[in-house]
Amino acid sequence: NAGVTQTPKFQVLKTGQSMTLQCAQDMNHEYMSWYRQDPGMGLRLIHYSVGAGITDQGEVPNGYNVSRSTTEDFPLRLLSAAPSQTSVYFCASTRQGGTEAFFGQGTRLTVV
Amino acid sequence: AQSVTQPDIHITVSEGASLELRCNYSYGATPYLFWYVQSPGQGLQLLLKYFSGDTLVQGIKGFEAEFKRSQSSFNLRKPSVHWSDAAEYFCAVATRDSGYSTLTFGKGTMLLVSP
Repeated sequence: NAGVTQTPKFQVLKTGQSMTLQCAQDMNHEYMSWYRQDPGMGLRLIHYSVGAGITDQGEVPNGYNVSRSTTEDFPLRLLSAAPSQTSVYFCASTRQGGTEAFFGQGTRLTVV
Repeated sequence: AQSVTQPDIHITVSEGASLELRCNYSYGATPYLFWYVQSPGQGLQLLLKYFSGDTLVQGIKGFEAEFKRSQSSFNLRKPSVHWSDAAEYFCAVATRDSGYSTLTFGKGTMLLVSP
């Protein structure tokens, strides 16, 4: 039981490049979400999903896309990376009812 | 929309002294309440949670928190701090509006422990 797995752990992108951050969970949780963490800002919600085929925007969705084709996977796509997207990204999964969110170890992304 | 306030950006506590980290939320009803801890370069670890019932909840690592509805607060406490408690602490809420599917976080409190 691995919990929530994020890949890669570190990534450097050039401005304008695209990439996908991977997130997978093996707990059969219905809810999954993506957050970004910036110094002094806490964690802010980017996108979330309450089930396969269902996604919605959070507080800071611009510049990011998500899809949820399976219960296990919830990738986050950066369409055209910008320096403002330099951040640490966390994926989380939660059982329906919201009793506890389990977080991945994070992806540290630098856009130059 | 709900919000979470952690008034203290940094707190320094002597090893062995007691600790209280403050958290206030803004929401029309009682949300689910959480405290997470993050060590440098690490992910988030759940310390404790409150859904309903007894307003004093016990968590891991000797932490406890008290929910006070009248003050919309959920303060984290520890009677005696250890050097290994130095980390960043986040208060978070999940609300019925989102089906408890996501968290709203405070901006965090960095705990420094002095010898």
